[in-house]
Parts: sequence; structure tokens; C-alpha cells
Amino acid sequence: QKEVEQNSGPLSVPEGAIASLNCTYSDRGSQSFFWYRQYSGKSPELIMFIYSNGDKEDGRFTAQLNKASQYVSLLIRDSQPSDSATYLCAVIGGNKLVFGAGTILRVKS
Amino acid sequence: ETGVTQTPRHLVMGMTNKKSLKCEQHLGHNAMYWYKQSAKKPLELMFVYSLEERVENNSVPSRFSPECPNSSHLFLHLHTLQPEDSALYLCASSQGTHRTPNEKLFFGSGTQLSVL
Repeated sequence: QKEVEQNSGPLSVPEGAIASLNCTYSDRGSQSFFWYRQYSGKSPELIMFIYSNGDKEDGRFTAQLNKASQYVSLLIRDSQPSDSATYLCAVIGGNKLVFGAGTILRVKS
Repeated sequence: ETGVTQTPRHLVMGMTNKKSLKCEQHLGHNAMYWYKQSAKKPLELMFVYSLEERVENNSVPSRFSPECPNSSHLFLHLHTLQPEDSALYLCASSQGTHRTPNEKLFFGSGTQLSVL
């Protein structure tokens, strides 16, 4: 079983829609959760982090964490073509940071 | 300059060559990392340096040799690589040391390596 799993996509959404990106993790003791965005040919960039169960909002982005279900998601409201990128989920458990393989998001104008 | 800078951006080398990747961080961070990114695979942690001390080596083959002369500079020396080593090599830094969770990584732009 992979430690951090993401659907590779691509996930295609129309401009203005809500994009929902999902991530599951295997280590129940995981403590911190991150979303990185990586444009094609560029390096990953941290866009959200969440430590507690529930929702955390930052502009058009909302991170949702459910530790009981070992599930973290990223919602992007009013999706724009500029949001088209690969989104990497990363999880810290046991002082070790583990990345998922990423989900490709395509926002169509 | 700000952030994390890596050179070169692209590198093509033969299996018998020796080359080095360079990384410099201008953020005053305490930890620096080398990651390997292959297509459709998760980022693989290779090495971690905390306060210039190597604290993690994730079973990386000896043909990859890291060097951290100070807290701002990190090198990855390459020799006798294999074609399967072709990948994007990313340097990153973080504020914390190995005694704190390595969160909020700041990445360099990476070196796209091709081994012929």
C-alpha cells in the first residue's frame, strides 16, 4: 500500500467550477498535511497546510482534513485556467515527510 | 537573489562523466534537501542536511555523493550514473532542523538530468 495516494488524473473542470482534489494516507499517526502546486517544468510551491480536523480556507483554496478517515482534500473555488497544474499532497508522520505522486488538474476556459 | 537557486537547469551527461549540481538558499534556513522526481512517481527524498550535518541518506547509491560546506550551499556530485538516473533533481530548504518536522519546504527550480 502506498503511503500517500492520489488519483493521477487528469481532472478536468470548466472555468469557474469547483475543483476537488483528494488524498489518502496510510499512517494513522500523521500530524501535518500539505498541498503543493507544481506547474509544468517548474518546482513545487506550497499553497496550503492543515494540522487539525476540519476546514481551512485561504482565498479560493480550502483544505479539508478528516483524520478518522485518513483523508485530506483541496477544494479550488472559481477555478481558473491558471490553476492548471499538478497538485502534490504531502504528509508528515513519524517526523518523515512523504509525497503523493500528484493529481493533474486541467481547467478549461 | 532570493529563495533557492539551482544550477545548472539542464544537464546531459554520459555514464562515464563526473558532474556536480549546485544549490544555494538565501532564506537563512537550517535544513537542506535533495529530492529526485521521476515522471508519474512521488518525490523521492535522497539526502537531508541539518546545520551542515547529514542526517538522512535514503539508501541512495554511492554514485550520488552530497556535500554541504555551509548552511547555505549544497552540492550533489554525480559519477558513473545510469540511464535510469535521468530525472528532475530538486533542492529544497526549510526553517526547521532534523529535530522538527521538515515542513514548508521551499524548492529550487531543479536540474533536469539526462544520462546517455
